Amino acid sequence: GNSVTQMEGPVTLSEEAFLTINCTYTATGYPSLFWYVQYPGEGLQLLLKATKADDKGSNKGFEATYRKETTSFHLEKGSVQVSDSAVYFCALGGNTGTASKLTFGTGTRLQVTL
Amino acid sequence: DAGITQSPRHKVTETGTPVTLRCHQTENHRYMYWYRQDPGHGLRLIHYSYGVKDTDKGEVSDGYSVSRSKTEDFLLTLESATSSQTSVYFCATSGDTITDTQYFGPGTRLTVL
Repeated sequence: GNSVTQMEGPVTLSEEAFLTINCTYTATGYPSLFWYVQYPGEGLQLLLKATKADDKGSNKGFEATYRKETTSFHLEKGSVQVSDSAVYFCALGGNTGTASKLTFGTGTRLQVTL
Repeated sequence: DAGITQSPRHKVTETGTPVTLRCHQTENHRYMYWYRQDPGHGLRLIHYSYGVKDTDKGEVSDGYSVSRSKTEDFLLTLESATSSQTSVYFCATSGDTITDTQYFGPGTRLTVL
């Protein structure tokens, strides 16, 4: 079955540092890949997505490239801010036959300090 | 953002009591989902709906039932709450199976004593 593996957190960085959160997946076919972000006390928000191999999703300075050869979708940001502190979830899209289905990683908590 | 609300936002109940959580959307999305979020597990799918009166089980459906009598409302019922059902519950909606993008509500924190 489908599965997603994320690096364990928490990840603690100083403001303006470079961020990488690793995500690898196992799936049949060519699933869509997603990064969602969850700020404290809130629901998940879509951060970016990619629907086919070599696609790059980007939003708010974050980027991730769909690498089929390494089954990876690592999240990167060149310069993090305190406001980026949140939990980040990698997810893989699938299909149940009647609806779409997301398989989530366990989440990586990011804390950015001044 | 999709207009998704959940009620209640917080609930404390006792073991053995029935509990119903409500998800309401204003986006006319066809697909609706219930997830639970637990430390170390990420989000896991409980049940989903692919239309009015059309529902199916997810990966952790035991002890839960759902109903969808209108496009905008999706109810999750814990028939007899147990302490293992203490969790944060999220509703999500999607209008398009091709892109698989799901939009999430703010969550309901449920504590079963």
